[in-house]
Amino acid sequence: ETGVTQSPTHLIKTRGQQVTLRCSSQSGHNTVSWYQQALGQGPQFIFQYYREEENGRGNFPPRFSGLQFPNYSSELNVNALELDDSALYLCASSWGFASYEQYFGPGTRLTVT
Amino acid sequence: SQQGEEDPQALSIQEGENATMNCSYKTSINNLQWYRQNSGRGLVHLILIRSNEREKHSGRLRVTLDTSKKSSSLLITASRAADTASYFCATPRTQGGSEKLVFGKGMKLTVNP
Repeated sequence: ETGVTQSPTHLIKTRGQQVTLRCSSQSGHNTVSWYQQALGQGPQFIFQYYREEENGRGNFPPRFSGLQFPNYSSELNVNALELDDSALYLCASSWGFASYEQYFGPGTRLTVT
Repeated sequence: SQQGEEDPQALSIQEGENATMNCSYKTSINNLQWYRQNSGRGLVHLILIRSNEREKHSGRLRVTLDTSKKSSSLLITASRAADTASYFCATPRTQGGSEKLVFGKGMKLTVNP
């Protein structure tokens, strides 16, 4: 298992609500990437944070936002939840932003009703 | 957008048999990675093959890469029930200042005892 943790494990929200997901990166890692995985699909890149700054973003609307803290842990915030936001949200930490170094957490399963 | 596409999408075999899954991708790459995911949880990195490599081994895993055909294969020999999982190929792509992983849709492997 990696040293990447995510909370909560599961979450149920209502359409229109806001949600915050959390990720603690592996010790020594300064980069966190977030992915969304819909049922039956592969993960899709949301964005990446490097040294507390957003460092690249996928095709997700602005209601998906994030933060990275001085200890390199990270949050993913989603506003105005839609039914299609129901998915497994994965974070991955790394030292630097080279993809082959990424270590994934167990994920947060979000259900929007 | 999905970069890789695994084939077949599902495979069911008996314990002890070999399992082969294929991945095709669309753009030039400098490496290709294979991941395993158990029961919709976090991704576990299995193996990385660089674009200048044709074959790589790790334990019971054998990966090949054919850059002229833009394809890769993952062979799991002497499969075990514990190998039951979804398998994804992923390729890195630079987006903004980040390097994201682009995943295929995955292949579900069931190994029957």
